[in-house]
Amino acid sequence: GAVVSQHPSRVICKSGTSVKIECRSLDFQATTMFWYRQFPKQSLMLMATSNEGSKATYEQGVEKDKFLINHASLTLSTLTVTSAHPEDSSFYICSAPTRLAGGPYTKNIQYFGAGTRLSVL
Amino acid sequence: GDSVTQMEGPVTLSEEAFLTINCTYTATGYPSLFWYVQYPGEGLQLLLKATKADDKGSNKGFEATYRKETTSFHLEKGSVQVSDSAVYFCALSAPTDSWGKFQFGAGTQVVVTP
Repeated sequence: GAVVSQHPSRVICKSGTSVKIECRSLDFQATTMFWYRQFPKQSLMLMATSNEGSKATYEQGVEKDKFLINHASLTLSTLTVTSAHPEDSSFYICSAPTRLAGGPYTKNIQYFGAGTRLSVL
Repeated sequence: GDSVTQMEGPVTLSEEAFLTINCTYTATGYPSLFWYVQYPGEGLQLLLKATKADDKGSNKGFEATYRKETTSFHLEKGSVQVSDSAVYFCALSAPTDSWGKFQFGAGTQVVVTP
């Protein structure tokens, strides 16, 4: 079935460095992808909507200059955490919706990556 | 704004026990409601969903009923197995949002022991 691949699964970096996280749809095209962040014991919070060929749409309170999103192709979106600090340490998850046609109905399906655990020292 | 609240974990229970995970929501209008499950090292997978009031979603022995009067979507399973150990997320999608844009609960870890 359709799968979303997220890489890396875990990254440890020094404060001040930038980290890039990739999200790929493996056997379908995704004009839209979503990026979520989860702090310990808190909800998955939507950060931004990644749009292929155009600028990402950020949720209120999310710094677009800090979390750079690039959706350069129909199968790849990247999230770059720039000048990372310890407070950026979190679990980041991407997702990609698609539609599956079968019989008389079209079904909306959302696929999630396995997530990236970012630890900033 | 829209939000989802679910019970904190971890929930630890023995095999064949009854499982309930409470989920309540706040939303304008009539959202669609979902339960997702995440097994270790894997992405979230859709477990079941309901798109309107009184709908019951079911899959793999799990059930949840969309209760508008109590704004709830509690997840239940009558007899859990060790393989049900995972983190369960309740989520909603508002009718005014684009497809795929979800509000999630914090997740509830379930640990089933033999």
